[in-house]
Amino acid sequence: AQSVTQLGSHVSVSEGALVLLRCNYSSSVPPYLFWYVQYPNQGLQLLLKYTSAATLVKGINGFEAEFKKSETSFHLTKPSAHMSDAAEYFCAVSGVDKIIFGKGTRLHILP
Amino acid sequence: GAGVSQSPSNKVTEKGKDVELRCDPISGHTALYWYRQSLGQGLEFLIYFQGNSAPDKSGLPSDRFSAERTGGSVSTLTIQRTQQEDSAVYLCASSPGVLFTIEQFFGPGTRLTVL
Repeated sequence: AQSVTQLGSHVSVSEGALVLLRCNYSSSVPPYLFWYVQYPNQGLQLLLKYTSAATLVKGINGFEAEFKKSETSFHLTKPSAHMSDAAEYFCAVSGVDKIIFGKGTRLHILP
Repeated sequence: GAGVSQSPSNKVTEKGKDVELRCDPISGHTALYWYRQSLGQGLEFLIYFQGNSAPDKSGLPSDRFSAERTGGSVSTLTIQRTQQEDSAVYLCASSPGVLFTIEQFFGPGTRLTVL
């Protein structure tokens, strides 16, 4: 069985500060892990994905995520937040026959 | 087309009415997926198509929900006898093949409001 948990439905950071969005997963098979971003009134867009090639995954817009098997985590980070990063972020875990999304974390950027 | 498109963008209906939501995938994408996004609930996977075939319909919330795909392209999600709990954003996505391990390309969604 697979599941994903995103800690914090809302996260606020100041512009220029570190962004950290947390995601923990469970999977009975080697997981594929994704982070998607949803801007207002738009569909989801892939930020990055983990496919076992490397534990540190770099994505678009300066985001990256690190796969930690021992902690069953795939947290998303960005060194310096920008106002344009305000959006909702979804972590997802997939296997052969399904994909499961977390409930999302809305990121607020404070000026 | 350049991306996944969905219509209508907004739909307001009365309880008990039927609604049809349309999805146009990226040209050449053989796989198509439907999701429901409710406030605070994340994305709920409903159904996927490989070509015109939907191998697993168990994700549909009730027998009031149905979906079809014709010509390996356009898909329609139909909700019969709508209920207020059906109010949500319905998202469609497509991908080059049915592999849940690859990127899905999402449309902007249809916001359904049942009064």
